[in-house]
Amino acid sequence: AQSVTQLGSHVSVSEGALVLLRCNYSSSVPPYLFWYVQYPNQGLQLLLKYTSAATLVKGINGFEAEFKKSETSFHLTKPSAHMSDAAEYFCAVIPKWENTGFQKLVFGTGTRLLVSP
Amino acid sequence: EPEVTQTPSHQVTQMGQEVILRCVPISNHLYFYWYRQILGQKVEFLVSFYNNEISEKSEIFDDQFSVERPDGSNFTLKIRSTKLEDSAMYFCASSGGDQPQHFGDGTRLSIL
Repeated sequence: AQSVTQLGSHVSVSEGALVLLRCNYSSSVPPYLFWYVQYPNQGLQLLLKYTSAATLVKGINGFEAEFKKSETSFHLTKPSAHMSDAAEYFCAVIPKWENTGFQKLVFGTGTRLLVSP
Repeated sequence: EPEVTQTPSHQVTQMGQEVILRCVPISNHLYFYWYRQILGQKVEFLVSFYNNEISEKSEIFDDQFSVERPDGSNFTLKIRSTKLEDSAMYFCASSGGDQPQHFGDGTRLSIL
């Protein structure tokens, strides 16, 4: 079954430092990949999505992710962390995009980003 | 921007009682979903709903669970006889066309 693996349940960075959150997917066929962010006591907000149009995907709040088929990875990065980036980040995959609009998301275990002053 | 709304934000229920979680999906979306997130764990797919019937469900979604779209706007998740292990955050989501799923802010269900 299609799945995603997020390495590191917690990542700590200093404000202004590079953010790197790792996600690897298991598939021989490039899937549709997403990053969602969850702020405390809130729902899931879409950061960005990969749907095979471009390997480098830019999202909201300065985040971007690069799809690397050779590494089956879709790591999330941000050049300079801000205190407001502290949240839980989830990588997710749709194994097969159906043009009907049906999407079943399979989530990774999440990575909590901690940002210190 | 249209959004998915869920009510209540927090529900406290005695074990064995029935609970109904409510969601209003985005109006032009056709697919509706429920996900669950047990504290400290990952978000898990429960069920999807299309054209007034379940299109897919997970192993978690047993006979204690049911979903319904009672009218043109609401989408509900019912748990018939709650158990302690049903305590979790429940997220509703909707999708349509080629747009990604939109999630609500969730309902925190606490079973006592």
